[in-house]
Formats: sequence, structure tokens, C-alpha cells
Amino acid sequence: GQNIDQPTEMTATEGAIVQINCTYQTSGFNGLFWYQQHAGEAPTFLSYNVLDGLEEKGRFSSFLSRSKGYSYLLLKELQMKDSASYLCAVMDSNYQLIWGAGTKLIIKP
Amino acid sequence: EADIYQTPRYLVIGTGKKITLECSQTMGHDKMYWYQQDPGMELHLIHYSYGVNSTEKGDLSSESTVSRIRTEHFPLTLESARPSHTSQYLCASGLPAETGELFFGEGSRLTVL
Repeated sequence: GQNIDQPTEMTATEGAIVQINCTYQTSGFNGLFWYQQHAGEAPTFLSYNVLDGLEEKGRFSSFLSRSKGYSYLLLKELQMKDSASYLCAVMDSNYQLIWGAGTKLIIKP
Repeated sequence: EADIYQTPRYLVIGTGKKITLECSQTMGHDKMYWYQQDPGMELHLIHYSYGVNSTEKGDLSSESTVSRIRTEHFPLTLESARPSHTSQYLCASGLPAETGELFFGEGSRLTVL
């Protein structure tokens, strides 16, 4: 079967750095995605990794290792507005997105 | 800001009713998707379309149907609603294989009594 694993919940302090991990086992691989979803709202796109390595976009960075089936999302200089769920998704060989259940990130002052 | 719209945002209906959730996008995307999401859970693909007159079932077709007569419009119909259909329904469009990005509507929250 196909599955995406990420921690259910994480807590971090405002101004700090947090790393959210994602491991995957899928039928083929055509890219890994990270989305942010605030409570009661729709997901919004954060990043897309196809090749191994680190992609940096402002305070957010995403890393991919295809050989390990592993990715992480790194959030720096945390702000209260970063409190949200972070969804990891993988596009499989049929170009279908397989979604993780999301990691709820709680930011404390 | 994404130009994808869903109506209704909230709906409470009785068991056995037929309902249609509307989704429209003005970005000209060929690929459109319907997802179901319960609180704190992953998105489950219900239906998708790769263009006009193309519709496919996802892993959770959920006794629902879709149509794609126009590029911009992708409605989802539940023929006979049941309490198990109570959930959030999210419509999305985009070019995931090309840019990696899906644009989501604000969702339709359905409660079946």
C-alpha cells in the first residue's frame, strides 16, 4: 500500500526553528509537496520538491531525499500565524497525490 | 489569490436528499479534483477530471457523481445523502505535475442529519 507518515502534533516557541518530518512509501515518485492549512480553511501551497536537496523560500525550506523516502519542512523565525497544520503529499507514478494526515503545529509565545 | 469558488459554504440537510456542490475556477485549468476531509485527517480523493468530458473516480467515490461539461465548472452530486457523508468537501484545480501547485476552494461543509 501507499502511505505518508508525519507526526500528529508538534509544539514550538515563537521565534524558534522547527523541523517537520515526512516519510513516504508510494508506487513511484513524481514529486513531493508541502501545504499549509489553517483550521477551518483550505490548504495553501508551500513547496514542491522533485530532486534531492534543499529548496529555500523565505522563512520556509523543504528538503528531499528520494533514496530514503524522506522529506522535511523547516520553518525559521516562527510567528504565531504559523500555527496551522502542515500537509505532506507525494505524487505517485499515476500522477495522483497521496496525502499525509498532516502535522498540527502549535506555536507558543 | 486563487480564483476557485465553491458553493454552498455550509449546508445542513436530511438523510435521503439529493444535493449538488458547485465548484468553479477561472484559471483555465484542465485538471480539477474533489477531496473529502474530516477534521485532523488526510484528504481523500473522491473524483477528478483531466478536462472537458473527462471524469475519473478516486479511492473514495462515496456514492457521488461529477460532470465536466465546461472547463471552469466541476459540480459534485450526492444522489442520496447519508449521515456518513457529513464532512468537508474541497474542490481544487491546478497543474500539479508541472508546477506542483493545486489551488483549493474554501470548501463546502456538509452536515447530514
